[in-house]
Amino acid sequence: EIVMTQSPATLSVSPGERATLSCRASQSVSSNLAWYQQKPGQAPRLLIYGASTRATGIPARFSGSGSGTEFTLTISSLQSEDFAVYYCQQYNNWPRWTFGQGTKVEIK
Amino acid sequence: QLQLQESGPGLVKPSETLSLTCTVSGGSISSSSYYWGWIRQPPGKGLEWIGSIYYSGSTYYNPSLKSRVTISVDTSKNQFSLKLSSVTAADTAVYYCARNSLAVAPNWGQGTLVTVSS
Repeated sequence: EIVMTQSPATLSVSPGERATLSCRASQSVSSNLAWYQQKPGQAPRLLIYGASTRATGIPARFSGSGSGTEFTLTISSLQSEDFAVYYCQQYNNWPRWTFGQGTKVEIK
Repeated sequence: QLQLQESGPGLVKPSETLSLTCTVSGGSISSSSYYWGWIRQPPGKGLEWIGSIYYSGSTYYNPSLKSRVTISVDTSKNQFSLKLSSVTAADTAVYYCARNSLAVAPNWGQGTLVTVSS
């Protein structure tokens, strides 16, 4: 099983600042990496796939980068609606998807 | 607009079988290129993919749950279902149904909490 490790567990950021979230895979997943956003009481929402491609309707302030085992999600200027939990997911070895444990982005 | 809605008992006794159904509206479950899956999230924890099914009936399961999971599809009702046998408290979670590709899950239901308790 490919283990996904996210850091930090919690990120405290002020509105308008940049947030940088990390995700590491236990073995290479190429660019087969997605990011999801989850707000309390809601289902996850797909943000990024292919490590860097924004899903339909996702604002440009969200960007993804990386390949192999190291990935980053950057939110360039945090808006109030961006405070949430973010999960990375690898899909390199369908059907054995695995998710990271999540990074909570909270208001500083 | 595609919508998915989970339904089923919110409380299941230990050792029994958890059964949930996902009803799809705004699109056909028989459409090609997509799979229909289940993902769960224990309270306060992360996401775990359970398995997916293609409209033809081909199934794909998480190896860690494979011995207890059955996913089926009913194209006439535009529904697919999850059965998880021999449940324990560790199976308490919010269960989501989703439409997924081989890569990602762009469409999710709202989720339903299933508690395993006597």
